[in-house]
Amino acid sequence: DTGVSQNPRHKITKRGQNVTFRCDPISEHNRLYWYRQTLGQGPEFLTYFQNEAQLEKSRLLSDRFSAERPKGSFSTLEIQRTEQGDSAMYLCASSSLDRGLVYNEQFFGPGTRLTVL
Amino acid sequence: AQKITQTQPGMFVQEKEAVTLDCTYDTSDPSYGLFWYKQPSSGEMIFLIYQGSYDQQNATEGRYSLNFQKARKSANLVISASQLGDSAMYFCATDSSASKIIFGSGTRLSIRP
Repeated sequence: DTGVSQNPRHKITKRGQNVTFRCDPISEHNRLYWYRQTLGQGPEFLTYFQNEAQLEKSRLLSDRFSAERPKGSFSTLEIQRTEQGDSAMYLCASSSLDRGLVYNEQFFGPGTRLTVL
Repeated sequence: AQKITQTQPGMFVQEKEAVTLDCTYDTSDPSYGLFWYKQPSSGEMIFLIYQGSYDQQNATEGRYSLNFQKARKSANLVISASQLGDSAMYFCATDSSASKIIFGSGTRLSIRP
């Protein structure tokens, strides 16, 4: 399977616990994005990496959130001291920065659904 | 800042009819792209169609076409001959300096047999 994969697919946790999600992008895609989607809304941008460099972070990404892409391949998103408001679908996407491409098509993974009790 | 507005929370359409999903956008970027994504109940985001701001012709992909009216800042999606499998959430979106994508709130399309 050469698509974007995310693990776990579902996570239920108690308020105050830490959680970590993993995203494996399409091989050789140098850009990786994290989005959050709450029920009935469109995805909201959280952050993105070009290779291992984190180039942009949304104001939605509070101090409790941290994302890494240490080797420019997979990425992790950690949420510390989870709150009920963190309950959402966390989507990862990847793309290839190629000046020959007409547009920056992002390929999305299946998402990780987080439920904070 | 970029913004996408989708004013139709839900739509019902008879199978085989054409349907238009509305989208208006606001951006200060001189060059931008407009996207439509489909999200079935299973949750994955499926790319449907792209329109560049400098493209002279409206984009088409099979049964999907994008009605791009730059002066009105609209990018409506037209689905011809709708099928039951078209029932899903549809999101209009725009990119920002070829990086992040800004999504609208979506339209839930339901196809009646």
